Amino acid sequence: DAKTTQPTSMDCAEGRAANLPCNHSTISGNEYVYWYRQIHSQGPQYIIHGLKNNETNEMASLIITEDRKSSTLILPHATLRDTAVYYCIAVAGNKLTFGGGTRVLVKP
Amino acid sequence: EAQVTQNPRYLITVTGKKLTVTCSQNMNHEYMSWYRQDPGLGLRQIYYSMNVEVTDKGDVPEGYKVSRKEKRNFPLILESPSPNQTSLYFCASSLLAGVYNSPLHFGNGTRLTVT
Repeated sequence: DAKTTQPTSMDCAEGRAANLPCNHSTISGNEYVYWYRQIHSQGPQYIIHGLKNNETNEMASLIITEDRKSSTLILPHATLRDTAVYYCIAVAGNKLTFGGGTRVLVKP
Repeated sequence: EAQVTQNPRYLITVTGKKLTVTCSQNMNHEYMSWYRQDPGLGLRQIYYSMNVEVTDKGDVPEGYKVSRKEKRNFPLILESPSPNQTSLYFCASSLLAGVYNSPLHFGNGTRLTVT
C-alpha cells in the first residue's frame, strides 16, 4: 500500500470548514483512499473513501486530485465533537496500515 | 444494533499467564482483524481473517494467536503474555474480504496491562 503523508496537527474554528490534506504520491491505480478518525482512545471510525471521483456523505467530502497524488478531507461545519486524530490511508489489499494521522483541534 | 464487541475492556495480568481477548460481530462480516495501538507507533495490524478458517499474519504477529472457527468470532490469544504486549487492542470487521472497498468497523478497544 502507498505511504501517505499528513500534517501532524492543525486547528480549526468551530462552525468553519476544516480542510485536511493528505499526500499519497506513490498511490497505484487500484488503491482506494480512506479516511478514518479516532476520538481520544475510542475505536477508529470510518468517515469516507474513494478511488478517483470526489465523494460526499453525511459526515464529510473527499476531494481527490486528478493525478490521485493527493486528497483533501472536508468537514463542512466543524464542531467541538470533531476534535480527533484523522487518518488518511491508501488501501489495495487486505492489510491496512495506519500512519500517524493529523491531530485536529476544533476551537470555540 | 450493528456492532463489534470486545471483551474485556480492561485487563491486568501477569507475565506468562495465558489470556484470551474475545471479539464478536453481529453484521455477518467476512473480514476480521486485530490491531494494537501504542504511543508513537500508531495502529499496527496483528492478524486478519478473510473468512472462517482463513487467517493470516499482519505486521506484528509475534506472541499472538488467533482462530476463526465461526464467522462472528475472532478471539485473540496470548499464550504467554509479556510486558511488551501491554497495549490498547482493537478488533475490526468488514463486510467484504476485499477490504479495499469495504470500510472497517472497530470495537471499543481492550486495554491490556502485563506486569
